[in-house]
Amino acid sequence: GEDVEQSLFLSVREGDSSVINCTYTDSSSTYLYWYKQEPGAGLQLLTYIFSNMDMKQDQRLTVLLNKKDKHLSLRIADTQTGDSAIYFCAEKVGTDSWGKLQFGAGTQVVVTP
Amino acid sequence: GAVVSQHPSWVICKSGTSVKIECRSLDFQATTMFWYRQFPKQSLMLMATSNEGSKATYEQGVEKDKFLINHASLTLSTLTVTSAHPEDSSFYICSAREPDEQFFGPGTRLTVL
Repeated sequence: GEDVEQSLFLSVREGDSSVINCTYTDSSSTYLYWYKQEPGAGLQLLTYIFSNMDMKQDQRLTVLLNKKDKHLSLRIADTQTGDSAIYFCAEKVGTDSWGKLQFGAGTQVVVTP
Repeated sequence: GAVVSQHPSWVICKSGTSVKIECRSLDFQATTMFWYRQFPKQSLMLMATSNEGSKATYEQGVEKDKFLINHASLTLSTLTVTSAHPEDSSFYICSAREPDEQFFGPGTRLTVL
């Protein structure tokens, strides 16, 4: 099974907040990431967080990290139709700074008017 | 941010033929590039790590002789799917590593008839 787990689907109304959850298994992961993939396209890095941080905010995006529970979440405030996409969380594996990434299965977010 | 391109963006080929996919870092040099495979509605699976001037490192279960990787320059890595079969049909995504980030290409859709 996946080492990184995510819920598969989220439906949210435009203007509401979206929260996407992720659990990971490697307690030694130093970097955790959120990527966005639009249909037929590659991945766009949205944000990342170092393991020594609990929270990171970047405009409409808020990342929360609970190392004890190995739980990562991404909150999108004021969700827009352009936020409809698949969101992947990923953890860095290996010992170098920007090495291999282990991805979750992705959460499909559908924003309804 | 830095740009990674892939060519072609989609390709259809007959079973038994070989297909080459290019991954280029357009405005930076990348000593390391990664090749991923993504099945519909699934996560990215790392196939191999490509290092400039040396042999690629393949993940467990990935056939080296079937998926040939060449990283001949600091801006170009190629993936050749040899003797392609319908089960090789997939979305192939590359990424290029810059010191502080990993940038993804837009992906190549391969369909083997």
